[in-house]
Amino acid sequence: ETGVTQTPRHLVMGMTNKKSLKCEQHLGHNAMYWYKQSAKKPLELMFVYNFKEQTENNSVPSRFSPECPNSSHLFLHLHTLQPEDSALYLCASSQGRGTGDEKLFFGSGTQLSVL
Amino acid sequence: GQNIDQPTEMTATEGAIVQINCTYQTSGFNGLFWYQQHAGEAPTFLSYNVLDGLEEKGRFSSFLSRSKGYSYLLLKELQMKDSASYLCAVRGDDYKLSFGAGTTVTVRA
Repeated sequence: ETGVTQTPRHLVMGMTNKKSLKCEQHLGHNAMYWYKQSAKKPLELMFVYNFKEQTENNSVPSRFSPECPNSSHLFLHLHTLQPEDSALYLCASSQGRGTGDEKLFFGSGTQLSVL
Repeated sequence: GQNIDQPTEMTATEGAIVQINCTYQTSGFNGLFWYQQHAGEAPTFLSYNVLDGLEEKGRFSSFLSRSKGYSYLLLKELQMKDSASYLCAVRGDDYKLSFGAGTTVTVRA
């Protein structure tokens, strides 16, 4: 148990569907992240929120839309996805101090399949 | 851009030692992390190095040489539960973490 909970664990959706991924952290952290993990590839940073403000959008297509209503919750809204978007989507949190030794705490991820 | 290389797969026998190497070329350096990720689970923090040398934590040790852009994670007295993917990550001068693709370690009985 890392203190970061993601739902759902698995999601299958068609290219015309709209769905949302949810992340909640119970660690009192101020920064939250979305990462994409594809097989045999490095984790790709998608979005960063610090104190509820989006501080990073790593050239992510607009079919992915993040939302951070408060420091404990993070959503990733999905619409008109492509099959190549199939991957494990990981949420993470950290204290938000911006120091070199700041650790990320990850959720178990949502395994997304786009048909 | 950031470039972090680590082997794709390694196999070792229970009770043995395995060394996972990581080389990096990044814009600046503010620390190197190792994470462990079991299949279907969250990556979890193992170690952090920012100064040259060896950091020991039980059966796991991590080494860093900043001048060589090199680190390794040493797993001693391997157990079956150590079968997992091990991720090397470097924090650059923009304070973002860049990850390698991970090394899958399989421990055989």
